[in-house]
Amino acid sequence: EAQVTQNPRYLITVTGKKLTVTCSQNMNHEYMSWYRQDPGLGLRQIYYSMNVEVTDKGDVPEGYKVSRKEKRNFPLILESPSPNQTSLYFCASARRGYAEAFFGQGTRLTVV
Amino acid sequence: AQTVTQSQPEMSVQEAETVTLSCTYDTSENNYYLFWYKQPPSRQMILVIRQEAYKQQNATENRFSVNFQKAAKSFSLKISDSQLGDTAMYFCAFFDQTGANNLFFGTGTRLTVIP
Repeated sequence: EAQVTQNPRYLITVTGKKLTVTCSQNMNHEYMSWYRQDPGLGLRQIYYSMNVEVTDKGDVPEGYKVSRKEKRNFPLILESPSPNQTSLYFCASARRGYAEAFFGQGTRLTVV
Repeated sequence: AQTVTQSQPEMSVQEAETVTLSCTYDTSENNYYLFWYKQPPSRQMILVIRQEAYKQQNATENRFSVNFQKAAKSFSLKISDSQLGDTAMYFCAFFDQTGANNLFFGTGTRLTVIP
């Protein structure tokens, strides 16, 4: 089954404790992206990647890191999480040039 | 930079009635896609309908249709015969094919279908 898998689905952590949210797709898509969803702000892009070893900043990259060492994986790293990073996070993937994006199930992150 | 604007934060409609959600966008590109995504309480992002900018004909998917006005940069979603299961957040999205090759979203419209 074609899918984008995010883990974990829910996470509560403390300020400053490094964490990684994983994202994996099984469709051999070139394009992958991370978004955060906050009430009244829609989905804002954090980082995106057009292919292996190619990443670029989105609209709200501060406080986040990503890597794309393999085509299927695109982890989101919070080196020192802060409460303003409490949000709902989505990973998405798409075939290059073909715009229909497939989304993961979302990760609800709470930083206390 | 591309922007997508949804000016209706919340809307409601009676069951079986028709509702239209608005979306405008700003771009200097000529080749792009537009989408409407639905997000029910389960949080899953579900593609409702898509429109290629080069196509003049408005896209239709069962009870969902769009009114695409390219010159006005407007892309509204019409839901006919509204059902309780249509209650959700709806996001308008823009995909730039020739520039950043990137997917941008509006702020969303929360639709409630009233029995």
